[in-house]
Amino acid sequence: EDQVTQSPEALRLQEGESSSLNCSYTVSGLRGLFWYRQDPGKGPEFLFTLYSAGEEKEKERLKATLTKKESFLHITAPKPEDSATYLCAVDPNDYKLSFGAGTTVTVRA
Amino acid sequence: EAGVTQSPTHLIKTRGQQVTLRCSPISGHTSVYWYQQALGLGLQFLLWYDEGEERNRGNFPPRFSGRQFPNYSSELNVNALELEDSALYLCASSLIQGVDTQYFGPGTRLTVL
Repeated sequence: EDQVTQSPEALRLQEGESSSLNCSYTVSGLRGLFWYRQDPGKGPEFLFTLYSAGEEKEKERLKATLTKKESFLHITAPKPEDSATYLCAVDPNDYKLSFGAGTTVTVRA
Repeated sequence: EAGVTQSPTHLIKTRGQQVTLRCSPISGHTSVYWYQQALGLGLQFLLWYDEGEERNRGNFPPRFSGRQFPNYSSELNVNALELEDSALYLCASSLIQGVDTQYFGPGTRLTVL
């Protein structure tokens, strides 16, 4: 069975304190890995798509990387507005996304 | 460019009732996906429609159904509502089926009493 595991479940950071979120996956095949950001009560907001091992993408203070078994979302010098739940999802060759439980990030000023 | 829109925003129903949720995809997108996000369970895939056809469904009972219209908008119908159907229902759309990124709407919050 396809599985997506995110760690840690929660992360509390001081403003400016960089950190990384992990997404490990076991799927029969990988078409793509996606990172989303979700604020409470709202729909997920797209961040990145990664397709192959070794690929990296950046957007402002966020950088996503992909290996054959896991992906990392690095947050550099976070600000309070980066507080959100970050979701990882994989497309395991059956055209439907399997999501992890998410990592809730809280950044204190 | 307008994003994915969903209506209504909130809905309160009682057990046994039926509900219809609506979704309009991003202009030019032909695939529509439905997900359920219940408290503590994460996002679960419900249904995928493309070009008016149901292409895939998740592990949900048949009382969850839907359709896609010629203008690519979609409806999700839930019959015989149960308390555990209380959740945020999210619609997403993509430009082409499968690999292309799915963009989500704001969701419909359904509460079943």
